[in-house]
Amino acid sequence: KAGVTQTPRYLIKTRGQQVTLSCSPISGHRSVSWYQQTPGQGLQFLFEYFSETQRNKGNFPGRFSGRQFSNSRSEMNVSTLELGDSALYLCASSPRTPGGSYNSPLHFGNGTRLTVT
Amino acid sequence: ELKVEQNPLFLSMQEGKNYTIYCNYSTTSDRLYWYRQDPGKSLESLFVLLSNGAVKQEGRLMASLDTKARLSTLHITAAVHDLSATYFCAVDEEYGGSQGNLIFGKGTKLSVKP
Repeated sequence: KAGVTQTPRYLIKTRGQQVTLSCSPISGHRSVSWYQQTPGQGLQFLFEYFSETQRNKGNFPGRFSGRQFSNSRSEMNVSTLELGDSALYLCASSPRTPGGSYNSPLHFGNGTRLTVT
Repeated sequence: ELKVEQNPLFLSMQEGKNYTIYCNYSTTSDRLYWYRQDPGKSLESLFVLLSNGAVKQEGRLMASLDTKARLSTLHITAAVHDLSATYFCAVDEEYGGSQGNLIFGKGTKLSVKP
């Protein structure tokens, strides 16, 4: 079974630009979450989607947005990039459903490393 | 606000020794997860702990959960070099039925030396 696939693996952007990152979850997983990892702040939750609906959002500015498609694939977008947005962005999928069991951990992709210059 | 604290943040061990990583959290959640991350790699799930007193073991690693003390431990037995990695604990913060909002600790960077 293929794992969580994130594209691209690496991105270099300039301040003020915008960027879109893509995530394909494990087949059958309908829950997709996004996390930002930086050396200073560690791993921080961005948002979570289930069946094309955003179910929860972390404490990030509105420049960070996302969406989920009917095939469960997800994208996140960061507009007006700042230097501080440089990070590893991790996508995770889960077979969990709302109100369902928590037995399954999140399955993480290899991430997209974004560098903003 | 849920806080998750791990200690130590850095751990240098000799092969063959035992040690414990501690994870304290600030709410009454009974859902705790341990992950491993190798340099430049993604997070790999190690353990899922879902109730008070839960204990899981895999090879040289054993994890436990005490929800009353809001404490989880990851015990390493007879460390080997292959265990060198960063270990994260994470607590599931349920929010309106959300399933994927994990609050992570800062991670423990483990280095096992011969």
